[in-house]
Amino acid sequence: EAGVAQSPRYKIIEKRQSVAFWCNPISGHATLYWYQQILGQGPKLLIQFQNNGVVDDSQLPKDRFSAERLKGVDSTLKIQPAKLEDSAVYLCASSFNIGGATSEQYFGPGTRLTVT
Amino acid sequence: GQQLNQSPQSMFIQEGEDVSMNCTSSSIFNTWLWYKQDPGEGPVLLIALYKAGELTSNGRLTAQFGITRKDSFLNISASIPSDVGIYFCAGLPVGSNYKLTFGKGTLLTVNP
Repeated sequence: EAGVAQSPRYKIIEKRQSVAFWCNPISGHATLYWYQQILGQGPKLLIQFQNNGVVDDSQLPKDRFSAERLKGVDSTLKIQPAKLEDSAVYLCASSFNIGGATSEQYFGPGTRLTVT
Repeated sequence: GQQLNQSPQSMFIQEGEDVSMNCTSSSIFNTWLWYKQDPGEGPVLLIALYKAGELTSNGRLTAQFGITRKDSFLNISASIPSDVGIYFCAGLPVGSNYKLTFGKGTLLTVNP
C-alpha cells in the first residue's frame, strides 16, 4: 500500500514570497491533516479535513495560510506571504476515520521550508 | 489546550541496553500512539493503544496504556544503533474528534 505522498521535499523562499505544498493521502483515507513541526518540537495541527470539509482549523493562521481539499482526496497548503517564523517542516497525515474505525494517523515525509 | 508531558527529553545509552520513556497528562485519553521520527523524515507509527491497561508489543518495542488513562509508556529492549531517533507519544483526548495531542519527543542516542 502506498503511503502519504508530499511534494516538494524541500523549499527555500524569501520572506513575503508565497509557497504551496501538495499532499496525496493513503487511498481510502477520509481524514487528512496538515501539521507544522518546528525544530525540536512535536507536530502542531494546522488544519483537519474530513473528506472535503474542514473539521478543525483553529490553529491555522488564516491571514496568511490557506488549505483546500476540493475533491476529498489530495490537498494543498499555501502560505502567502511567508514570514521568517514559518520556517519549519510541514507534515501531511491521513487516517481512515469513518464511523470511529480508527484514529491511527500515517504521516508523509514532510516538506522542509526555509524562509530567508 | 491539552498538554502531554513526555520524558525524558533525551537519552544516551549503550547498544544492548533497555530504555523506557513515558508520557503523562492531566486529562483522560481514549487512544495513545507512539511514533518514531528519523532525521528528514515524517513520524512513523510504532504502536497504537486503545484500552486502559492494554499492553502491546511490536518486536523489541512494548507500550502500555495506563490504567488511569492519563499516561502511557514505551519500552525498547536490547537497543541497536538503528533505534536512534526521536520518539513521540501522541494521545487522543476524550471528545477531540480525532485531533491528536503530541508530546515534545524523546531523543534517543545509541552508542555502538
